[in-house]
Amino acid sequence: DARVTQTPRHKVTEMGQEVTMRCQPILGHNTVFWYRQTMMQGLELLAYFRNRAPLDDSGMPKDRFSAEMPDATLATLKIQPSEPRDSAVYFCASGLRGGVGNIQYFGAGTRLSVL
Amino acid sequence: SQQGEEDPQALSIQEGENATMNCSYKTSINNLQWYRQNSGRGLVHLILIRSNEREKHSGRLRVTLDTSKKSSSLLITASRAADTASYFCATDASGAGSYQLTFGKGTKLSVIP
Repeated sequence: DARVTQTPRHKVTEMGQEVTMRCQPILGHNTVFWYRQTMMQGLELLAYFRNRAPLDDSGMPKDRFSAEMPDATLATLKIQPSEPRDSAVYFCASGLRGGVGNIQYFGAGTRLSVL
Repeated sequence: SQQGEEDPQALSIQEGENATMNCSYKTSINNLQWYRQNSGRGLVHLILIRSNEREKHSGRLRVTLDTSKKSSSLLITASRAADTASYFCATDASGAGSYQLTFGKGTKLSVIP
């Protein structure tokens, strides 16, 4: 059963620490998205990749966030240094551009708490 | 910025009743999609309707699209407690080479057994 896998599911850290979130997209998908979800802002697109190349990271605070795709099976989102306002649920989604519509498949998310 | 805006923000109904959620958007679209999110989980795709379609059905789901009014509605018939979730509309307004969906803030549906 193909699915997007995110690790860790939960992360509690202290302000100033580095946080790395990982995502394994569905095999064969060529686009990967990172979203952040909060009660106040809803679902925000942070960055996305096509064929491992970053296409848009305009939604991401550049000074502390970075997103990479070292290979087709792994996407990472890093926050350094983390701040309390980064507390949110971070979702990875993957899709196949050129398939039916532009459907995205979401992972279960990483719930981040920065104290 | 939010493209789709769902209405109502929250909806509470009895099991067996129908639930209707609405979505309004601002720009021309290629298609509009609805997703469901159960508490503590990721979003799950439910149904896609293309800009040249007016209505689509999938099981107990019925989606309508009015491009002249830039609005869509999701109807869930004969609701069940398991339908309790947040429902999001997402618009695909992407041109060639773009891949984004823009999500609304969702409607939180509670189905009371």
